[in-house]
Parts: sequence; C-alpha cells; structure tokens
Amino acid sequence: DVKVTQSSRYLVKRTGEKVFLECVQDMDHENMFWYRQDPGLGLRLIYFSYDVKMKEKGDIPEGYSVSREKKERFSLILESASTNQTSMYLCASSLGLGEAFFGQGTRLTVV
Amino acid sequence: SQQGEEDPQALSIQEGENATMNCSYKTSINNLQWYRQNSGRGLVHLILIRSNEREKHSGRLRVTLDTSKKSSSLLITASRAADTASYFCATDKIQGAQKLVFGQGTRLTINP
Repeated sequence: DVKVTQSSRYLVKRTGEKVFLECVQDMDHENMFWYRQDPGLGLRLIYFSYDVKMKEKGDIPEGYSVSREKKERFSLILESASTNQTSMYLCASSLGLGEAFFGQGTRLTVV
Repeated sequence: SQQGEEDPQALSIQEGENATMNCSYKTSINNLQWYRQNSGRGLVHLILIRSNEREKHSGRLRVTLDTSKKSSSLLITASRAADTASYFCATDKIQGAQKLVFGQGTRLTINP
C-alpha cells in the first residue's frame, strides 16, 4: 500500500516562529502537493513539485516556501508563522496526475 | 482560484436513498477525479474519469462527465450511514499548468 506520512498530527506554534511540516511518501511518486483546508474553502493548493528540486506555486503560496531535496520528501516551511496560517495542512503524492494519495493531515494552530 | 465547484455544499438524505453531487469546472482537463474525506482525515481516492469517457462505475458509485458543459456528477446508490463524509472533485489542468486542484466539497449526511 502507498503510504504518505506527515510528521505531526497536531502542532501548536507561536506567532513569528519558523515552522517545518514534513511529508514522506514511499512509492517513488514524482508529484507531491501541499494543500491547506479551511471550513467553507475546501482544499487550496499551496505548492506542488513534479521532481526533485523542482517546485511550482499553487493558488496561495504567500507566506510559505517548500523544499524537495529527495524524491520521497516534500517539506512545507512557514517562514514566520501567523495566526491566519492556523489550518489543516494536507500532503499528497501521485504518479503523474492520476490518483493522489494523501497523508493524515497536520492540524496547525498558531497562537 | 478554485477550478472545481461542487453543488450542493451540503446534502442530507435517508439511508437507502440515492445521493447525487455535482461538480463544475472552468477550463479543459485531462481527467476528473472524485475523493472522499471522513471527518478530520486525509482524502481517499474514489474514481477517475478521463476526458474522453462519459460514464464510469465502481460498485455503488456512478460518475458522469460532460465536457461540453464542463461538469461532472457523482451518484451514490443505496446510501448507507457509512457514506457520511465530504466529497470533492479534483481536476488536473488549469490554463496549461498540470496541477491537481480541488473544489470546496459537498458534505453528505446519511440519516439512519
């Protein structure tokens, strides 16, 4: 079974902190995605990557950056966390643009 | 901006009834997918329909795609309480950029 693992299920950080959310997949997928999910807004794409060291901005990249140094790992970085970045963060991977496999999500609270 | 828009936003039906959810999108696509999300969890893939397909079945799920209207529907027949979840459509192409974009979802509640 494909497994996408996010490093934390719940996270509480302070305003201004630099926050790292890690995602690892075990199926050699070239595509990886980071979304945030907020009530009433569905899933919004933050960044995606189609290869190692490659990244593309999604719909809401402001305040975020990403890193993909190895194929299996895609990190989302909040450079200076703010309260409006309190959200559920979902990582996914896919082979091409077929079925995407999701991690369990990280619920981030910024206080 | 969101590519897919689901309708309705929320749907509540009795167990045993059929549930229909709709998705509209704006630009041309290669594939359209439907996913399910149980409360507080990641999404699980249900079905993928290609742009040259008009209908696809998987168990109690039936998906249709009308590329001329840029719309898709997901039908769940003989609903069960365990079908209670949020359902999302996802499209894979916006203005030439190959990325997977989701709509806002339909919250389905099946009443026993």
